[in-house]
Amino acid sequence: NAGVTQTPKFQVLKTGQSMTLQCAQDMNHNSMYWYRQDPGMGLRLIYYSASEGTTDKGEVPNGYNVSRLNKREFSLRLESAAPSQTSVYFCASRGQGYTGELFFGEGSRLTVL
Amino acid sequence: GESVGLHLPTLSVQEGDNSIINCAYSNSASDYFIWYKQESGKGPQFIIDIRSNMDKRQGQRVTVLLNKTVKHLSLQIAATQPGDSAVYFCATSGAGSYQLTFGKGTKLSVIP
Repeated sequence: NAGVTQTPKFQVLKTGQSMTLQCAQDMNHNSMYWYRQDPGMGLRLIYYSASEGTTDKGEVPNGYNVSRLNKREFSLRLESAAPSQTSVYFCASRGQGYTGELFFGEGSRLTVL
Repeated sequence: GESVGLHLPTLSVQEGDNSIINCAYSNSASDYFIWYKQESGKGPQFIIDIRSNMDKRQGQRVTVLLNKTVKHLSLQIAATQPGDSAVYFCATSGAGSYQLTFGKGTKLSVIP
């Protein structure tokens, strides 16, 4: 099993460009999450999907949109990238309920010039 | 919302010694607590978790202690090894909440 797979691993954008980060999990997990990690800031929740068909805002949702395409896939879209969105983005998934281990992907490093 | 913090940003320990990493949280409604380890360039890895109805939980070489009175959480690593060098994060969530709030992390360096 691959676990949680994120693509792309690296991306450079110009201000105003758009892009989508893809995430897929093969563990039949119900909930999925997108976090961003900035130096000295820890991980901050952008959006999450408690189950297929639902999405909710986290701590820092502004400038992002998400789609829970099916049970396996959860994408994060930047419609008009800004330098403040330069960060490392992590996707995660969890099996059942709201406790238990979050399984993280390896991260996607995004630079916005 | 929750504010999760760590007492020390860096911690250096001698190989073979025990390590203690501390974490303070502000929300008394926090119900679930979890520790993650992150090595450079990788995603966070689960270490251990604990619910608010427990004070202590042990895993392999690790122990998590929860003091709800003072809203304090600690991770103890026994016989610290060079492979334990990483950044450690605590995180909490409220009852029935999917939102896990992470602290800023403590960097553990193990001196051979």
